[in-house]
Amino acid sequence: QSGLTQPASVSGSPGQSITISCTGTSSDIGCYNSVSWYQHHPGKVPKVIIYAVNNRPSGVSNRFSGSKSDNTASLTISGLQAEDEADYYCSCFKGSTTFLFGTGTRVTAL
Amino acid sequence: HLQLQESGPEVVKPSETLSLTCNVSGGSINSYSYYWGWIRQPPGKGLEWIGTIWRSGTTYYNPSLKSRVSMSVDTSKNQFSLRLNSVTATDTAIYYCARRDTSWFDPWGQGILVTVSP
Repeated sequence: QSGLTQPASVSGSPGQSITISCTGTSSDIGCYNSVSWYQHHPGKVPKVIIYAVNNRPSGVSNRFSGSKSDNTASLTISGLQAEDEADYYCSCFKGSTTFLFGTGTRVTAL
Repeated sequence: HLQLQESGPEVVKPSETLSLTCNVSGGSINSYSYYWGWIRQPPGKGLEWIGTIWRSGTTYYNPSLKSRVSMSVDTSKNQFSLRLNSVTATDTAIYYCARRDTSWFDPWGQGILVTVSP
């Protein structure tokens, strides 16, 4: 399977905005209308924070937003907080049958 | 409030078969609206989709695992299961079950750490 590439780590100061990219190969382009993002605090259960590119589930902070351009999807965290420190994974649903997860990004609030 | 809970052996010997069950409570696995899935995370690594199954038994598997994976659903017990055969140390991971809603997974079970060890 082809993969989705994310930066290994992204950091920022509290209050700043950071953006995590999720880049696929040309064969993954069909995924990108079905991009979701998950927040995973180590030892806890992964939680969906963005679905269908730019939709937030009920209860998820509006500091999280998603977008896509060409073959890259992005997650932006505005007003970074200490509680946002976690691993973040993108995912795409390809051909209505299979899923791909990104390589994961560790977010650190400096 | 939908909840999922994984269960099964936490240690499996190399070359044997890993078998896990996901019990669903607070909702019906027989829903027409959702698929049900398995995802795993090896220690220190990222998430990997294993497969998804519908109420009818229709399945979709990760191509990299397809030759070793099977999933089944038991609507009378409101649970679904995973079998992974010929396991090796690389199959050591936290295994999560989850509900697939259109193109994302939510909610997830707590996860179960399965170790492949002699």
